[in-house]
Amino acid sequence: KQEVTQIPAALSVPEGENLVLNCSFTDSAIYNLQWFRQDPGKGLTSLLLIQSSQREQTSGRLNASLDKSSGRSTLYIAASQPGDSATYLCAVETSGSRLTFGEGTQLTVNP
Amino acid sequence: DTGVSQDPRHKITKRGQNVTFRCDPISEHNRLYWYRQTLGQGPEFLTYFQNEAQLEKSRLLSDRFSAERPKGSFSTLEIQRTEQGDSAMYLCASSLVTPNLGYQPQHFGDGTRLSIL
Repeated sequence: KQEVTQIPAALSVPEGENLVLNCSFTDSAIYNLQWFRQDPGKGLTSLLLIQSSQREQTSGRLNASLDKSSGRSTLYIAASQPGDSATYLCAVETSGSRLTFGEGTQLTVNP
Repeated sequence: DTGVSQDPRHKITKRGQNVTFRCDPISEHNRLYWYRQTLGQGPEFLTYFQNEAQLEKSRLLSDRFSAERPKGSFSTLEIQRTEQGDSAMYLCASSLVTPNLGYQPQHFGDGTRLSIL
């Protein structure tokens, strides 16, 4: 059974800092890994999708890496802003198209 | 692209009542997914459809739950004889999967928050 773990559970940083969120998964037989953002009371917004054959993806200030063999991914956020405050969720897609999510990292960026 | 739409946004009901939620996916998407999310947790997969066919159901989807996508467009999720433990956010997502495109991100709606009194 696939299990996804995210560390840390919560993170508070001052504005402008660069930060790294971590995600690990137990079964390396994945099709892709996705990072999502969730604001309170809202649905999920897809940030980055890394196919299993890729090692990283970048979008603006966000960079996600994938090491499938070790079952790890990181999300790097550069020059953090208060608007980045949200819960960040990592999910892996395995056979059958189901996404298995971690519990998320709650990020607070203080002005 | 108007995004994934879910209705209602909030539902409060008494234990034992039946409830039905609706999801309208992005129009050209052929796959539709249902997830459940409880407070402080990540979403958990419930079921998914490829067009009108329900291809996979999680063990979380007990006999009291039923999902349909009759015409391959919108979907409904019904919960019969609701219990306290059914209180959660129910999220719908859709995606377009074709042999040429490969894996595309799932796009989520804002969910229906169910509260059982």
